[in-house]
Amino acid sequence: GQQVMQIPQYQHVQEGEDFTTYCNSSTTLSNIQWYKQRPGGHPVFLIQLVKSGEVKKQKRLTFQFGEAKKNSSLHITATQTTDVGTYFCAGRGAGSYQLTFGKGTTLSVIP
Amino acid sequence: DAGVIQSPRHEVTEMGQEVTLRCKPISGHDYLFWYRQTMMRGLELLIYFNNNVPIDDSGMPEDRFSAKMPNASFSTLKIQPSEPRDSAVYFCASSFGTGRPSYNEQFFGPGTRLTVL
Repeated sequence: GQQVMQIPQYQHVQEGEDFTTYCNSSTTLSNIQWYKQRPGGHPVFLIQLVKSGEVKKQKRLTFQFGEAKKNSSLHITATQTTDVGTYFCAGRGAGSYQLTFGKGTTLSVIP
Repeated sequence: DAGVIQSPRHEVTEMGQEVTLRCKPISGHDYLFWYRQTMMRGLELLIYFNNNVPIDDSGMPEDRFSAKMPNASFSTLKIQPSEPRDSAVYFCASSFGTGRPSYNEQFFGPGTRLTVL
């Protein structure tokens, strides 16, 4: 079945440093979504990417979808303490409605 | 809208007991998902429904787990008998179907933290 790998598992950064998490699928995806889960909270939708090579920005967050639609990345510029949490990618295969979640990257920001 | 509602928020039970988790999806959503989250296995899809009909239950661990959706506003996940390895956070999520303008994002409930002793 479809597998979604995400690295790194943990990342500790100094406030103001950049952060990137990478997501790779074993199969070609129809689209990919990103979610953020704060400590003790629930996953919250951030964005969906659909097109090959797509790049979307939300303030300091930049999301990319690979040309082959098998990988994606999330980059945060100049991290803040409010960025703390676990970031999940979730891929949807062709013809499928369900999402397969990566195991997430947990970001901690040292003030 | 109050969002996805789950109850109870916390459940502590003893091995062998029956556990029932409840979910009320966002009104108007066509899909409902049950997930389990653990440190070891991450966020796993257990089962999902479309218009109250179970579509894929391949993620249900074993026959001890069952899920129902008797109507558009209510779903249950039952574990009978429960075992310590079932301890996890169980999330319910809902979404619109394809063709809607909301990009099919899933709205998660606050989760039920289950501890089986």
